[in-house]
Amino acid sequence: DGGITQSPKYLFRKEGQNVTLSCEQNLNHDAMYWYRQDPGQGLRLIYYSQIVNDFQKGDIAEGYSVSREKKESFPLTVTSAQKNPTAFYLCASSTQLPYHYGYTFGSGTRLTVV
Amino acid sequence: AQSVTQLGSHVSVSEGALVLLRCNYSSSVPPYLFWYVQYPNQGLQLLLKYTTGATLVKGINGFEAEFKKSETSFHPTKPSAHMSDAAEYFCAVILTGGGNKLTFGTGTQLKVEL
Repeated sequence: DGGITQSPKYLFRKEGQNVTLSCEQNLNHDAMYWYRQDPGQGLRLIYYSQIVNDFQKGDIAEGYSVSREKKESFPLTVTSAQKNPTAFYLCASSTQLPYHYGYTFGSGTRLTVV
Repeated sequence: AQSVTQLGSHVSVSEGALVLLRCNYSSSVPPYLFWYVQYPNQGLQLLLKYTTGATLVKGINGFEAEFKKSETSFHPTKPSAHMSDAAEYFCAVILTGGGNKLTFGTGTQLKVEL
């Protein structure tokens, strides 16, 4: 079955460390997205990519970085510059024109700073 | 600018009672509208959507919604709530020419009581 796989499901980070969250899809979708979810704040867009080797900042990109070297993969790195990284991170993908089907989401990664 | 407003960050219903979730959008052009459901520590799953065509749409888990252009609304309902409906629900909109990205509401936490 096609879908999006996020790993790990739970991740713990020490102060000052960079960590990378994995997102892989086998839906042949061109576009991929990273969202951050905090209680009571809905989903906030971090980065998105509409084609391989190209990506754009979303609303809260500071302290994060991404790459899109393969169509299937869109890893997110949470850098030490992100001062409050504890959150639930969701990856999504879609066709180039998502009007009819919307987005498909992964099951999320919960990141905690220890 | 497009926006989407969910009325009621928390909704509580009794098991067997009507469920009504509320979403209004602000746009002069009818957007593409989506509702997603999220269970604890999971990703988002498509509940129902309005793209084109019939204004009354059926979704998963017994939900349906009517797109009302005159009221700029898209409110899902379910005749009889079940304990398994307890989750967070997000309204989202894509406006053509808006970069093809979903804009999410802040979410509605649905509680179902015995």
